[in-house]
Amino acid sequence: ETGVTQSPTHLIKTRGQQVTLRCSSQSGHNTVSWYQQALGQGPQFIFQYYREEENGRGNFPPRFSGLQFPNYSSELNVNALELDDSALYLCASSLNSKPLLEQYFGPGTRLTVT
Amino acid sequence: AQSVTQLGSHVSVSEGALVLLRCNYSSSVPPYLFWYVQYPNQGLQLLLKYTSAATLVKGINGFEAEFKKSETSFHLTKPSAHMSDAAEYFCAVSAPVKAGTALIFGKGTTLSVSS
Repeated sequence: ETGVTQSPTHLIKTRGQQVTLRCSSQSGHNTVSWYQQALGQGPQFIFQYYREEENGRGNFPPRFSGLQFPNYSSELNVNALELDDSALYLCASSLNSKPLLEQYFGPGTRLTVT
Repeated sequence: AQSVTQLGSHVSVSEGALVLLRCNYSSSVPPYLFWYVQYPNQGLQLLLKYTSAATLVKGINGFEAEFKKSETSFHLTKPSAHMSDAAEYFCAVSAPVKAGTALIFGKGTTLSVSS
């Protein structure tokens, strides 16, 4: 069984640029959630996709957007990067979006904005 | 709204000592609660979860947690710490978001284990 994978591992961007982060779900999972983890903080929910539709969103501005593809892989896009966007971005997949189900996390993408 | 508070950002124990990491929750609905562990430069791994089946929940690596509704707590314990337990620990609660579910995390507790 393949776990959740994310790419790239590390990324350095300049303020104002755009970035795309990618996530492959665990086999059989149709729900993907994205989290932002700033240094020294707990992860914060960005949004969730279920069967290619946005299923819920946290308190993040519209320049954070996402996609989920028919194979349930997902992308996180961030436009007009700001210094505060520097963080570890975590993707998590689950069998569906029910609250009692475990979310399986990938290793994350470390984004640095200079 | 759902939230969790982890008391103590840093806990230090000796190898073989009891580990106790504290978590209090706030929830407007019966909560589903989780403990995750994060090793340096890695993602999060589930230690255990509470889904109302039993108040004492056993997880991986010898960890367990007890749900106490009267105290709104879900503290994580391990009888005897190992060096390999040194990591960041996060308590989380499920929260409904539109049609889906988010995990709301605490700020984390760093566990250090000395020999």
